[in-house]
Amino acid sequence: GQQLNQSPQSMFIQEGEDVSMNCTSSSIFNTWLWYKQDPGEGPVLLIALYKAGELTSNGRLTAQFGITRKDSFLNISASIPSDVGIYFCAGPGGGAGGTSYGKLTFGQGTILTVHP
Amino acid sequence: ETGVTQSPTHLIKTRGQQVTLRCSSQSGHNTVSWYQQALGQGPQFIFQYYREEENGRGNFPPRFSGLQFPNYSSELNVNALELDDSALYLCASSSQGDEQYFGPGTRLTVT
Repeated sequence: GQQLNQSPQSMFIQEGEDVSMNCTSSSIFNTWLWYKQDPGEGPVLLIALYKAGELTSNGRLTAQFGITRKDSFLNISASIPSDVGIYFCAGPGGGAGGTSYGKLTFGQGTILTVHP
Repeated sequence: ETGVTQSPTHLIKTRGQQVTLRCSSQSGHNTVSWYQQALGQGPQFIFQYYREEENGRGNFPPRFSGLQFPNYSSELNVNALELDDSALYLCASSSQGDEQYFGPGTRLTVT
């Protein structure tokens, strides 16, 4: 089945630093999604990407859909303490049967710690 | 606009028992998906419901079953609980796109 590999697995940074993380796939994706999960909560959608090469921003977050369609990148600029959490990439195609929409495969996550 | 809600928040069950988890979809969303998230892992797709029928299934055994109701809310049922079923169960709703909006989850502990 499809697999998503995220790197790095964890990051420890100082407040104000920029952060970069990426996600690679064993197969082509037509959509890339980035989520953030806080402890004890469900994942929250940050950015959705739909086109190879697309660069999309959401405040201090910027994500890119790789041109090979097998990777995606998330950057966070000027990190703040509330950026702490686990960041997941995800793409459709995690199940068999029915339409392909919304059956997401997730990476294993990047744990971000921000020191004040 | 009401987001995705799930109940209960926490649940403790004994091995071999059965459990039912509930989810109300976000207003305007007609598709509900369920995911299992083990500690330290990303969510894993269990199945999806659209128009009250199962619309795709991940690699989970038949003892994981579900329902969707006319108001688009959904239930996840797990029979013959095993210790490995201990996890955070997440419900997500959508309106026929890939963007999934998640609820807070139900933490299930099987002892």
